[in-house]
Amino acid sequence: QKEVEQDPGPLSVPEGAIVSLNCTYSNSAFQYFMWYRQYSRKGPELLMYTYSSGNKEDGRFTAQVDKSSKYISLFIRDSQPSDSATYLCAMSKGGGGADGLTFGKGTHLIIQP
Amino acid sequence: DAGVIQSPRHEVTEMGQEVTLRCKPISGHDYLFWYRQTMMRGLELLIYFNNNVPIDDSGMPEDRFSAKMPNASFSTLKIQPSEPRDSAVYFCASSFGVSETQYFGPGTRLLVL
Repeated sequence: QKEVEQDPGPLSVPEGAIVSLNCTYSNSAFQYFMWYRQYSRKGPELLMYTYSSGNKEDGRFTAQVDKSSKYISLFIRDSQPSDSATYLCAMSKGGGGADGLTFGKGTHLIIQP
Repeated sequence: DAGVIQSPRHEVTEMGQEVTLRCKPISGHDYLFWYRQTMMRGLELLIYFNNNVPIDDSGMPEDRFSAKMPNASFSTLKIQPSEPRDSAVYFCASSFGVSETQYFGPGTRLLVL
């Protein structure tokens, strides 16, 4: 079993829809949870960051962590064509810079105009 | 700041040749990470440095891979000899302190024929 599982997609939705992206993980030592967005032929960029369980909202984006289920989610409201990208979940045991990150393989998201 | 700089952006080489990838982290960042991304395996951490010292190289695939960081503004990842299975996108990332925010470079696309 891989440490982090993520459906590769592609996930195609119409503009304006609510998007739900998810990851499951197996290592209960993970404490920090992140979502990165990667446009085609670019490096990943940090989108959202949460520590332990709970929700965090930033504009149209909401990150949710359920440590009891080892499940994290990213919700995108009012999705836009510019949101089309690959979304990678990432997690670490310590602070992100201390021990590197374990990534999911990424979900390819397509927002249809 | 120009962000993390990687060179070359593309590299095509023949099996058995030596390949050297270069990275300049963001000024002031004290952590530097090397990742490899493939369709099959996703984004994998190869090695990371703190204050120019290698901390964890457990992700380096085998002895053909080596990484150095001679000073705070420069790092190299070397593959010798290269093999077709090394074909991937190699990313360098840097961060400041124990931080969840890793800033990625644009990557080097390596093709080994």
